[in-house]
Amino acid sequence: DAGVTQSPTHLIKTRGQQVTLRCSPKSGHDTVSWYQQALGQGPQFIFQYYEEEERQRGNFPDRFSGHQFPNYSSELNVNALLLGDSALYLCASSFGANYGYTFGSGTRLTVV
Amino acid sequence: GENVEQHPSTLSVQEGDSAVIKCTYSDSASNYFPWYKQELGKRPQLIIDIRSNVGEKKDQRIAVTLNKTAKHFSLHITETQPEDSAVYFCAASFSGSARQLTFGSGTQLTVLP
Repeated sequence: DAGVTQSPTHLIKTRGQQVTLRCSPKSGHDTVSWYQQALGQGPQFIFQYYEEEERQRGNFPDRFSGHQFPNYSSELNVNALLLGDSALYLCASSFGANYGYTFGSGTRLTVV
Repeated sequence: GENVEQHPSTLSVQEGDSAVIKCTYSDSASNYFPWYKQELGKRPQLIIDIRSNVGEKKDQRIAVTLNKTAKHFSLHITETQPEDSAVYFCAASFSGSARQLTFGSGTQLTVLP
């Protein structure tokens, strides 16, 4: 049974560019949450998607946007990249909003 | 919003000793408190969690205690082993376990053989 899969694993982008990260949830899970983890810090909540809609959002600017597809997979888009966007981006899936997360291994984004 | 503080940031123990990591939270409405273990370059993995209607939970060598009045919770690892070495994160959430989690800043635990 596949867990949460994220792609790509590593990515290098130039400041000002746009990036799309992808996540496939664990089988049976219908809710996807995205977190940003800066080096040496705990993960910070970006947003959560359920039934193809953004249900909750953390304190991140509108440059961060997302999408959930009918098969429950999700994308995280970041526009106008800043050096400070360099981080590990974690996707976590769950069944609804009342069960524990399963995290993916993350996408390491480096903005130069 | 919720704020979670975690201490210590680093902890070294001898193999076989116990380790304790403490967290405090600010929002009295938080009712779900998970602990995650993250090894270098790997995903965070849930190791134990506790809900606000319970004061203590134990799973083999790992236990978590919760003091709602003081708004703090702690992770206890007994009989530590080298494979326990990792970064441990506490987190807090309101209204359900898969809602928005607010994480602490992490504790690097090193178990010395």
